Amino acid sequence: DAKTTQPPSMDCAEGRAANLPCNHSTISGNEYVYWYRQIHSQGPQYIIHGLKNNETNEMASLIITEDRKSSTLILPHATLRDTAVYYCIVRVAGNQFYFGTGTSLTVIP
Amino acid sequence: EPEVTQTPSHQVTQMGQEVILRCVPISNHLYFYWYRQILGQKVEFLVSFYNNEISEKSEIFDDQFSVERPDGSNFTLKIRSTKLEDSAMYFCASRFRTSGLQETQYFGPGTRLLVL
Repeated sequence: DAKTTQPPSMDCAEGRAANLPCNHSTISGNEYVYWYRQIHSQGPQYIIHGLKNNETNEMASLIITEDRKSSTLILPHATLRDTAVYYCIVRVAGNQFYFGTGTSLTVIP
Repeated sequence: EPEVTQTPSHQVTQMGQEVILRCVPISNHLYFYWYRQILGQKVEFLVSFYNNEISEKSEIFDDQFSVERPDGSNFTLKIRSTKLEDSAMYFCASRFRTSGLQETQYFGPGTRLLVL
């Protein structure tokens, strides 16, 4: 299984960009990188996913390095409501997602 | 925007009792999942379900667990004889199809199960 490594916690000032890194050095060529977040004990919320090109949607941007061994999730203007645990997940063959421990992002007023 | 719903939001039960957790997946989705999260721990995969049968299950999903799609809209998780260690948040998820690895799973808000 392709593993991911994320810092356990990060802080970000409200209104600033939050850049959350993820290492996935063993990713295979057809595996996608997914980002989810979990606010308190709510259900994981889908944010964005990508294969090798940078992606952007209304929530965030995903930057994937050319060698695909790492990626960065960017929340362009963090708000207090973005305080959550962010999970970087590489989709393995089969159905399920493997959630790691993620990065606990705290947005500071 | 369509969403996955789950009932009840909270359930308290006595050890040894049976519980049924209910989920209504997004209407055109074909693949269904249960995950659980023990307090303070990771989200763990339990089981996936497609075409009225289990497609994959984890070691956690033992004989005490079963899943069913009884009426074409609901998707249920039954725990036959609950144990204290079954206390957790249970999340249902669904996705549309499996044409590739890119299909996204959408999660429900969860059911908090407490076994006393």
